[in-house]
Amino acid sequence: SQQGEEDPQALSIQEGENATMNCSYKTSINNLQWYRQNSGRGLVHLILIRSNEREKHSGRLRVTLDTSKKSSSLLITASRAADTASYFCASGYSTLTFGKGTMLLVSP
Amino acid sequence: EAQVTQNPRYLITVTGKKLTVTCSQNMNHEYMSWYRQDPGLGLRQIYYSMNVEVTDKGDVPEGYKVSRKEKRNFPLILESPSPNQTSLYFCASSLTGDREQYFGPGTRLTVT
Repeated sequence: SQQGEEDPQALSIQEGENATMNCSYKTSINNLQWYRQNSGRGLVHLILIRSNEREKHSGRLRVTLDTSKKSSSLLITASRAADTASYFCASGYSTLTFGKGTMLLVSP
Repeated sequence: EAQVTQNPRYLITVTGKKLTVTCSQNMNHEYMSWYRQDPGLGLRQIYYSMNVEVTDKGDVPEGYKVSRKEKRNFPLILESPSPNQTSLYFCASSLTGDREQYFGPGTRLTVT
């Protein structure tokens, strides 16, 4: 079952711009997580936000969570070419279910 | 170094020839999971294990088997592989099922 759905499916920006990705989920959550995947490689955990948190920061990453709307957003500020990757949200209680991801392309 | 390892990384095989993809973690994690990733379908969970000797089906378990005899190992077994099992497979582990997961590097499987 698909718990999270990311939007947009693909995003293309220039270096230095901000990138915003959104995630919607269907059922109640304990926490929501964001992951990054460079082409064909293993996913890397970026940030976890708990259901009682509204916003969380980690370096250039800012995640928000709105449990009333069952949605989350990931903001990457001052994007770099190295941020080019696919980004996934994931949520669940006993297991994690991943969305299909947003493919971000950052051009120099 | 904390890590999840998978072997082999690449495998080309023929229909019906049994194969095993190994997964091992050195972080003493209780939870381990297998996913497959296909274009347009994202990551789908095959099987997971909450602890030793405890395994459960994920979203797409058909055609796969797993076992968890030791905490660190969680092999994925394809008894009779078919071409629709051609995919990129990831093993992951975490402290619990809803915590941050550590992923292996992936195994690209082609079944002809």
